[in-house]
Amino acid sequence: LAKTTQPISMDSYEGQEVNITCSHNNIATNDYITWYQQFPSQGPRFIIQGYKTKVTNEVASLFIPADRKSSTLSLPRVSLSDTAVYYCLVFRDTGRRALTFGSGTRLQVQP
Amino acid sequence: GAVVSQHPSRVICKSGTSVKIECRSLDFQATTMFWYRQFPKQSLMLMATSNEGSKATYEQGVEKDKFLINHASLTLSTLTVTSAHPEDSSFYICSAPRGGGFQETQYFGPGTRLLVL
Repeated sequence: LAKTTQPISMDSYEGQEVNITCSHNNIATNDYITWYQQFPSQGPRFIIQGYKTKVTNEVASLFIPADRKSSTLSLPRVSLSDTAVYYCLVFRDTGRRALTFGSGTRLQVQP
Repeated sequence: GAVVSQHPSRVICKSGTSVKIECRSLDFQATTMFWYRQFPKQSLMLMATSNEGSKATYEQGVEKDKFLINHASLTLSTLTVTSAHPEDSSFYICSAPRGGGFQETQYFGPGTRLLVL
């Protein structure tokens, strides 16, 4: 599976839009991208996933360019409760179905 | 609401004892579940794949005789840490896939904090 690279940490302020970009240069045709959020001492929580272009749900948007070598998670108007670690993962719909976690991005939202 | 549960959420045990952790998919069936371990300030590390009706498959470096996995039904997988030692103290998390193909989503349990004294 394609290795993912994302910033180790990011800082933001309440009310701002936060964009976390992840690179996955070796993504394959049958891979798709999924993002998770994890708070301390909790299991990861699914945020959003997609294959190409743009996906939006009630909490986030996911932008995937045509070459699919990167993706950007967009969190609109973050609050203090969005302080967490965010993981970008590449998932293949066949074969091994476990998720391989990288180091994630630690987002700190300040008041 | 939660779709995957774990029990217990926290357990403290003495060195040498065995501890069983349960993972349940609440409103869907999962023929496969996954067990992860997470040490402080680190990412999740896959330990094993739990397969209903067959043996679990373990990742390299994970002792299958120490971490016993039983996928008893389509909604329950258990991880037993046998003869636990302080170095086994960690946060154990399970997951179960729901849906299929590009619609498949892995749902994670809330985790189990194990402390071995």
